[in-house]
Amino acid sequence: EAQVTQNPRYLITVTGKKLTVTCSQNMNHEYMSWYRQDPGLGLRQIYYSMNVEVTDKGDVPEGYKVSRKEKRNFPLILESPSPNQTSLYFCASSFSQANYEQYFGPGTRLTVT
Amino acid sequence: AQSVTQLDSHVSVSEGTPVLLRCNYSSSYSPSLFWYVQHPNKGLQLLLKYTSAATLVKGINGFEAEFKKSETSFHLTKPSAHMSDAAEYFCVVRSNDYKLSFGAGTTVTVRA
Repeated sequence: EAQVTQNPRYLITVTGKKLTVTCSQNMNHEYMSWYRQDPGLGLRQIYYSMNVEVTDKGDVPEGYKVSRKEKRNFPLILESPSPNQTSLYFCASSFSQANYEQYFGPGTRLTVT
Repeated sequence: AQSVTQLDSHVSVSEGTPVLLRCNYSSSYSPSLFWYVQHPNKGLQLLLKYTSAATLVKGINGFEAEFKKSETSFHLTKPSAHMSDAAEYFCVVRSNDYKLSFGAGTTVTVRA
């Protein structure tokens, strides 16, 4: 089944404790991106990747890192999480940046205390 | 710069009655426009898209949207709501450099 998977789905952590949220897709997509969803703000892009080893900042990259060492994986790293990073995070992928349809993962709900 | 405004944060309808979700956009060029749906605890799913072809766009599950350039609107409609339509809906505009801007979302509640 074609899908985007994220782990973990739920995470509660404390300020400053490094964490990684994994994202994997099995559709051989070149383009992958991370979004955060906050009430009343819709989705905002954090980082995106056009292909392996090619990443770039989205609208709200501060406090986040990403890497794209393999085509299928695009982990999101929070080196020192803070409470304002409490949010719902989505990973998405598509064949290319120009492709119309993005496939979204199920989301990761992160709480930083 | 581009932006999207969803005019209603919450819409409540009775099952079997029409649904209207309103979306206005601003863009300095001819945009591509999308509606996505998010069911509880799920990721977003593409409902329909407008990409400068026909102005009336049909999507999945009986939804359709009409692009009106003069009104800068892209409202989503469905003639008869079903309980399974209860979800959050996002209007999205895409720029020429493929950047997506999401609206704040409209939550749809369907009453039995």
